[in-house]
Amino acid sequence: KQEVTQIPAALSVPEGENLVLNCSFTDSAIYNLQWFRQDPGKGLTSLLLIQSSQREQTSGRLNASLDKSSGRSTLYIAASQPGDSATYLCAVKVFGNEKLTFGTGTRLTIIP
Amino acid sequence: GAGVSQTPSNKVTEKGKYVELRCDPISGHTALYWYRQSLGQGPEFLIYFQGTGAADDSGLPNDRFFAVRPEGSVSTLKIQRTERGDSAVYLCASSLTPAAEQFFGPGTRLTVL
Repeated sequence: KQEVTQIPAALSVPEGENLVLNCSFTDSAIYNLQWFRQDPGKGLTSLLLIQSSQREQTSGRLNASLDKSSGRSTLYIAASQPGDSATYLCAVKVFGNEKLTFGTGTRLTIIP
Repeated sequence: GAGVSQTPSNKVTEKGKYVELRCDPISGHTALYWYRQSLGQGPEFLIYFQGTGAADDSGLPNDRFFAVRPEGSVSTLKIQRTERGDSAVYLCASSLTPAAEQFFGPGTRLTVL
């Protein structure tokens, strides 16, 4: 059974700093990995999707990397802003199964 | 519409009542998913539709839960004899194909008193 872990559960950093969020998964036979953002009381916004054949994806100040062999992904946020404050969730899809398995998320607070 | 929409946004009901939650996927998306998110947790998979048929319903917790997608577009999640433990946010997602990126709606917050 695929298990997804995100550590830490919460993180606070001063505005302007670069930061890294971590995601680990137990079954390396993944099809893709998706990073989401969730604001309080809201749905999920897709940030980046990495296919199993890719090592990283970039969108603006966000960069996601994938290391299947070690079962890890990181989300790098450059030059953090207060508007980046939210919960960040990673989710994986394995071959032959269309559902996403989610971690419990990291609640990020950017301090102005 | 531009994104996935869900109605109602909030639903309060009493224990033992029947509820229906609606999801309108992105136009043209063939795959539709339902997830449930409890407070402080990540979403958990309930059921996945490809077209009109339920391709995977392994996440439905028991037979009180049922979902339909009769015309391959709008889907309804139905919960019978609601229990307090059913209280959660129910999220719907759709994707162009089963392998593609999933896009989520804003969710329906269900509270069972």
